[in-house]
Amino acid sequence: DAGVIQSPRHEVTEMGQEVTLRCKPISGHDYLFWYRQTMMRGLELLIYFNNNVPIDDSGMPEDRFSAKMPNASFSTLKIQPSEPRDSAVYFCASSDYTNGENGYTFGSGTRLTVV
Amino acid sequence: DAKTTQPPSMDCAEGRAANLPCNHSTISGNEYVYWYRQIHSQGPQYIIHGLKNNETNEMASLIITEDRKSSTLILPHATLRDTAVYYCIVRVGSGANNLFFGTGTRLTVIP
Repeated sequence: DAGVIQSPRHEVTEMGQEVTLRCKPISGHDYLFWYRQTMMRGLELLIYFNNNVPIDDSGMPEDRFSAKMPNASFSTLKIQPSEPRDSAVYFCASSDYTNGENGYTFGSGTRLTVV
Repeated sequence: DAKTTQPPSMDCAEGRAANLPCNHSTISGNEYVYWYRQIHSQGPQYIIHGLKNNETNEMASLIITEDRKSSTLILPHATLRDTAVYYCIVRVGSGANNLFFGTGTRLTVIP
């Protein structure tokens, strides 16, 4: 398995522009998580899905952030409009609880820079 | 709120065992202890988890005290590639919920 795949690896955009981050979870995993990592706040959970349905989005910072999971193999995190304080590394992770407790598998992340 | 306490940094000589401590004095009976690590510029990587018995896998061993208020992650023969930030996390085992990563321990393996 290729693991959790995120794209792009790096994104540089101007303030006010729309940014879309993409994630392909591991096949068969029924949970998907979006995390954000900054030096100041560490790793924070933004939102997670179970069987493509958003379960907890309390970590989404503002209405400018939205996430979708149209099918079991794809999810997006969108920021519109982007701001410099959104600069961070965004990680996607997936997990399988069908067979009991397992760890999360994280992607390599998308480093977002908003200038 | 952080449920675990870890030293901010540790050094270990290459080839020696690395013992990373974690205090979780308020752990509940249904909470597991998880360990993850994050190598620079990569996503966190799951290492091991346990409830109350000691656990071992191909990466590490987890020793949990009898009262479950603390644990130690052991890397038996540390290599330079084990240099990373190690996170100790407690969480309820069933169902998905937030993995609170805290600040972790930065382990540096020295040649």
